[in-house]
Amino acid sequence: DAGVTQSPTHLIKTRGQQVTLRCSPKSGHDTVSWYQQALGQGPQFIFQYYEEEERQRGNFPDRFSGHQFPNYSSELNVNALLLGDSALYLCASSLETLALYNEQFFGPGTRLTVL
Amino acid sequence: GNSVTQMEGPVTLSEEAFLTINCTYTATGYPSLFWYVQYPGEGLQLLLKATKADDKGSNKGFEATYRKETTSFHLEKGSVQVSDSAVYFCALSAGSGAGSYQLTFGKGTKLSVIP
Repeated sequence: DAGVTQSPTHLIKTRGQQVTLRCSPKSGHDTVSWYQQALGQGPQFIFQYYEEEERQRGNFPDRFSGHQFPNYSSELNVNALLLGDSALYLCASSLETLALYNEQFFGPGTRLTVL
Repeated sequence: GNSVTQMEGPVTLSEEAFLTINCTYTATGYPSLFWYVQYPGEGLQLLLKATKADDKGSNKGFEATYRKETTSFHLEKGSVQVSDSAVYFCALSAGSGAGSYQLTFGKGTKLSVIP
């Protein structure tokens, strides 16, 4: 059973460019969340997708956008890259249930470096 | 808003020493609490969780008790091993109903265990 996969593993971009990161959820999962983890910090929630719609959003500017496809995979897009966008981007998937909390399974992340 | 504060590292211990990593939280509503571990070069893994007051989460010799009166969720292990060397994150999820609500993380505590 494949876990959460992300691509690419590493990425180097220059300021002002645009980037797309990809995530495939764990088999059977239907919800995808994205987190940004700056060096030496804890992950920060960007947004969550369910049923192909953005359901929740953290405190990130509109330069950060996403998409979820019918097969539940997801993309994170960042426009007009800034140096401060350099971070590890983590994708987490879960299965929507009526439980109080649905465990999120994390992928290995994409390391984005902005020069 | 929601926030998590955990003791700053790095923490260096000898093998078989006792480990405590302090974590306190602020949340609106009734949060679920988690400890995640991140091994070098890997994504986050859920170590243990507790969803209501006085619950004790445990896994791989690690324990943490949900203390509502002190808003704390301290991580403990009686005898650490070199393989426990990793970064540990305390986190909470505080939705107002069922679903995969966003996780709020602390900054992480790096643990190094020396033989």
